[in-house]
This record gives sequence, structure tokens and C-alpha cells, in this order.
Amino acid sequence: GAVVSQHPSRVICKSGTSVKIECRSLDFQATTMFWYRQFPKQSLMLMATSNEGSKATYEQGVEKDKFLINHASLTLSTLTVTSAHPEDSSFYICSATAGSGQPQHFGDGTRLSIL
Amino acid sequence: QQQVKQSPQSLIVQKGGISIINCAYENTAFDYFPWYQQFPGKGPALLIAIRPDVSEKKEGRFTISFNKSAKQFSLHIMDSQPGDSATYFCAARGSNQFYFGTGTSLTVIP
Repeated sequence: GAVVSQHPSRVICKSGTSVKIECRSLDFQATTMFWYRQFPKQSLMLMATSNEGSKATYEQGVEKDKFLINHASLTLSTLTVTSAHPEDSSFYICSATAGSGQPQHFGDGTRLSIL
Repeated sequence: QQQVKQSPQSLIVQKGGISIINCAYENTAFDYFPWYQQFPGKGPALLIAIRPDVSEKKEGRFTISFNKSAKQFSLHIMDSQPGDSATYFCAARGSNQFYFGTGTSLTVIP
């Protein structure tokens, strides 16, 4: 089946640091990638939708200057949490789809802890 | 506004029993309804999915029942096993965006 790889799986860093998370589709070309945030025992909250080669579309309330998304190729999207603070600590999950009408496949998530 | 409503929030089932999770939606433009299984510390994994022109889909012990007129769909796990203990999310797709239910924590006790 389709595989989406997310790296790193866990990050612990100091407040003020910027953190980059990578999301790769390993065996298909992902025209669209999604970034989610998940709080403990809660559902997935969509942060942004990114299409290859164009700017990401952010959901209401998500700061685009805080959460930088780049989708430079059909197999890679990155999320950079800039100047991270403790309130940014969360589980971040990416997903990818090969196109409209295709299933969405998720990465294994990144546990971000800001001290 | 929650586009997809999921219940129950948590479920405890005896091994060998049937687990049933329900979801309801409002937007008739939704065209694809997947179910995801998530283990702690992992991303959701696609379990089974259905399109609105089909009333039922079965894959192994997992069955989706879909009621288009009622705008409801449900996941049935037959012969539930302790290894099925996880959080389950229903979802619906519209305009190439996915809307998720709030999740159901399933515990299957031996």
C-alpha cells in the first residue's frame, strides 16, 4: 500500500528554536499534502493544505508565519515551526493523496516537545 | 461546526463481540467515507472506505454500513480482538478536503 514517511518521529528542543518536519510519499506522487495537529485524546485538526508548487492554504486561526509549509516536489512537503514555544508542543501528522478522488495516507506523526 | 459527528466517544467490548461505531454527516456533497485506525504514538491508518453509491462494504472482520438517506454510516468490527484496541476515526471527503469525526477509543477486553 501507499507509504508516507514522516521525520523526525520525536523532537525535544528549547523555546525559541525553529523545528523542521519532513513528510515524504515513498511510492506515489502526492499532488496534495495535508498537515494536522492532534492534541491528546482528540481528533485531527487540519492546519493547512499544500499543493505541489503552490502556496499552502491555511485553516482559520493557523498562523502562516509561524507554521511555514513548503511543498517543493511531488514527494516532499515540510512544516517548519518557527520560534517554537511550549504551547506549540503537540503531535503533528502529515498526510498525502495522489489526487482528487484518491485516498489519504498518513505519516506516523512527529511528537514535538518544547521546553 | 463539526461536519462529521461520531459516537460513542469510548467503547469497551468483550473479546469475540461486535464493536459498532457510528457517524453522521450533513453535507450531501461528501463523496467518500473512510475509517481510520490509530494506535498510540502513531499516525492514523486507512482501514476501510466506502462511496455513497454502495450500502455496505466488507473487508475481513470490518464492515461499513452506509445509509445515504439518513446520512449515517457505521463501522462494525466482528469477532473483536484485543489487538483491535485503538482509536477509530470516521471521515468524509468534500472538495478534496477531509473532515474527521472526534474519534472512538475502543478497548477489547480478553
